[in-house]
Amino acid sequence: DVKVTQSSRYLVKRTGEKVFLECVQDMDHENMFWYRQDPGLGLRLIYFSYDVKMKEKGDIPEGYSVSREKKERFSLILESASTNQTSMYLCASSPAGGLVYQPQHFGDGTRLSIL
Amino acid sequence: GDSVTQMEGPVTLSEEAFLTINCTYTATGYPSLFWYVQYPGEGLQLLLKATKADDKGSNKGFEATYRKETTSFHLEKGSVQVSDSAVYFCALPSTGGFKTIFGAGTRLFVKA
Repeated sequence: DVKVTQSSRYLVKRTGEKVFLECVQDMDHENMFWYRQDPGLGLRLIYFSYDVKMKEKGDIPEGYSVSREKKERFSLILESASTNQTSMYLCASSPAGGLVYQPQHFGDGTRLSIL
Repeated sequence: GDSVTQMEGPVTLSEEAFLTINCTYTATGYPSLFWYVQYPGEGLQLLLKATKADDKGSNKGFEATYRKETTSFHLEKGSVQVSDSAVYFCALPSTGGFKTIFGAGTRLFVKA
């Protein structure tokens, strides 16, 4: 069964810490995405990557960075965590589709609390 | 720009009731349209899709028809179950295809 795996389901960190969220997919997908999900705001795209070492800013990249050193792994980094980054974080992947859209496959999410 | 508008929730129904969740969109051209579902404690998963006008997508008893004239893609199910309790997202690909534009999501509660 195809899978997107996020390293933690729940995470608690302190303000100012550097936080790493890891995501691994086993489907050999080219595209990977990081979203945050907040009540009343839906899903908001933070960053995405369409190839190894490539990254593109999404709608809310401020305060975040990403790393994609291998095709199967996409890391989200909170450089200096703040309380307004408390949220549910979702990772997703999709195959390269060219002009044909390919649906995304999601992990189960990481619920991050910044104290 | 491209956008998706869903009816606000939560929607609360009794088991075996009929479900409609409205979705309208604004887009350049005629993109594929999707419904994703998020069960409690899980990520999103694709529920159904339609790739062109008048197509009907269906899965697990859910259906949605791509209506070009009304720019709509309403989700329907004839008889809901408690296990259908989840958040439902209407979505379409952004122009250029890399990104997905999601609606705000509609939470459904089904009571036994």
